[in-house]
Amino acid sequence: KAGVTQTPRYLIKTRGQQVTLSCSPISGHRSVSWYQQTPGQGLQFLFEYFSETQRNKGNFPGRFSGRQFSNSRSEMNVSTLELGDSALYLCASSGTQGEAFFGQGTRLTVV
Amino acid sequence: QKEVEQNSGPLSVPEGAIASLNCTYSDRGSQSFFWYRQYSGKSPELIMSIYSNGDKEDGRFTAQLNKASQYVSLLIRDSQPSDSATYLCAATGYSSASKIIFGSGTRLSIRP
Repeated sequence: KAGVTQTPRYLIKTRGQQVTLSCSPISGHRSVSWYQQTPGQGLQFLFEYFSETQRNKGNFPGRFSGRQFSNSRSEMNVSTLELGDSALYLCASSGTQGEAFFGQGTRLTVV
Repeated sequence: QKEVEQNSGPLSVPEGAIASLNCTYSDRGSQSFFWYRQYSGKSPELIMSIYSNGDKEDGRFTAQLNKASQYVSLLIRDSQPSDSATYLCAATGYSSASKIIFGSGTRLSIRP
């Protein structure tokens, strides 16, 4: 069974640009969550999508948005990038038991 | 505010000893509990799930749950240098719509 796939693995962007990250969940999983992790920090919850609807949302500015498609694949978009957005962005998919399985992450560097 | 609390460490344990990691949670409605291992620069990996009071063993790992005390622990027997990582505790509620709440993690270092 294939795991969670995130693309791209690495990104370098300039301040003010926007970026889109992609996540393909484990087959059969309908819940996809996104997290931001900066060095020495815990997982900061961004949002969760379930059946194309945002079900939970963290405390991030509106520059961070997401969506989920009918095949459960999800995308996360960050507009007007700031230096502080440099982080590891993690996607996780969850099944019926609630446990989260993480992708390898996308490391975003904003310069 | 639903929270999961962990001591940030670092917790230093000699090779071959038992490492004990602890976690408390604030939401009495939490039903499912998980332990993740995260190596530096990598994504978290699920290593244990526990849903009912008591102990659950898997190889060198034992998860312990005490819902009355709102306490979850992870024991690692015969600790190896490869166990050096950050361990994240997580909890989620009864509803399938419940958000999984992560602790900030405990950094474990196994010294040879």
